[in-house]
Amino acid sequence: TQLLEQSPQFLSIQEGENLTVYCNSSSVFSSLQWYRQEPGEGPVLLVTVVTGGEVKKLKRLTFQFGDARKDSSLHITAAQPGDTGLYLCAGGRGSQGNLIFGKGTKLSVKP
Amino acid sequence: SQTIHQWPATLVQPVGSPLSLECTVEGTSNPNLYWYRQAAGRGLQLLFYSVGIGQISSEVPQNLSASRPQDRQFILSSKKLLLSDSGFYLCAWTRLKGLAGVTGELFFGEGSRLTVL
Repeated sequence: TQLLEQSPQFLSIQEGENLTVYCNSSSVFSSLQWYRQEPGEGPVLLVTVVTGGEVKKLKRLTFQFGDARKDSSLHITAAQPGDTGLYLCAGGRGSQGNLIFGKGTKLSVKP
Repeated sequence: SQTIHQWPATLVQPVGSPLSLECTVEGTSNPNLYWYRQAAGRGLQLLFYSVGIGQISSEVPQNLSASRPQDRQFILSSKKLLLSDSGFYLCAWTRLKGLAGVTGELFFGEGSRLTVL
């Protein structure tokens, strides 16, 4: 059972376009993390959100945690080729175990 | 600053051969350590984690094993590899302990690509 569903699985866009990727679950999470992974490397943390409804901005990236803490979204404004990579969300359930990772959204930004 | 290294970076092994992947963390003490496997289209699967020397927890049954002989060393092993063991193996650590360590930020190594033929 995949607790965290990420969509879309693949996204190919032109430089300058905006995009949103989603991370959804029927389970409540105490926190949610977003990582970016480049080919042949390990994932790197972008942000952690912990409060329902929380919005965090990291330059052109905007992260939102759903009010019910079951879902999250990542919006990228004016995408650049350097944004290319695999975006993974990971949910934390506190004392109930380790992070649960989604399968990721593979983003390709063409110049 | 803290660093994490794992090796080898790439490995091609025949079915039935043994495996040893090594991971070391520098610049911190008593970290939580993790082994993940990333297969195409299946996301990150937690294999093992360790909260201290000699303490290993297994998340999924398999023919792999893990050991933590020293505080900052984590080893993934197999006596006989299967085709299904192919994948990208990632070691990770977190500085947080207790409940916070369970869901704290993970710092990943560079990964080891294993191909079993």
